Amino acid sequence: ETGVTQTPRHLVMGMTNKKSLKCEQHLGHNAMYWYKQSAKKPLELMFVYSLEERVENNSVPSRFSPECPNSSHLFLHLHTLQPEDSALYLCASSQVLLAADNEQFFGPGTRLTVL
Amino acid sequence: AQSVAQPEDQVNVAEGNPLTVKCTYSVSGNPYLFWYVQYPNRGLQFLLKYITGDNLVKGSYGFEAEFNKSQTSFHLKKPSALVSDSALYFCAVRDMDFNKFYFGSGTKLNVKP
Repeated sequence: ETGVTQTPRHLVMGMTNKKSLKCEQHLGHNAMYWYKQSAKKPLELMFVYSLEERVENNSVPSRFSPECPNSSHLFLHLHTLQPEDSALYLCASSQVLLAADNEQFFGPGTRLTVL
Repeated sequence: AQSVAQPEDQVNVAEGNPLTVKCTYSVSGNPYLFWYVQYPNRGLQFLLKYITGDNLVKGSYGFEAEFNKSQTSFHLKKPSALVSDSALYFCAVRDMDFNKFYFGSGTKLNVKP
């Protein structure tokens, strides 16, 4: 395994629900990321955190709200989602952000279905 | 604008034959190039990267990739494919704007016995 865990692995929610995705990395990394993976589309980088500070927000709708309480944990809070938000949500980490040659380590993802 | 293109949605190859998965990129400045593999119901796993130096990079599971600056390509190769190589492969590029990663749309590799 990669050292990055995500829970839950599967989530089905209605458009009025509020839920949270959790990511935890056991690698001692300082940077964490949320990606959205939809079929036959490039991975979309949603949020980037470095040392618990958000450094990137790629025009993501406000119904997605990230939280990084410490360098090992990352959350994605979801509310009033739309069916088109159904996708695989991937969490990743890397050793440091300011090193372009750092590869990322990915979790297994949360398969989200919005009804 | 920075981007990565994987022109093939799917590549089919017979076991034992060589395989190539194509990737081209567009980035300002020096590129940092990566290949990742995704098996069903799993996250992406790092395979190899090009930062600088030798244009032929060797990675995990017998894969290698060739960086070609003039063609802005970074094709993934393996001399002899295995059925277990069947998976989804992603090319990615990062430039000096460290916050940005750009992934291709993925290429599904099917290796048939």
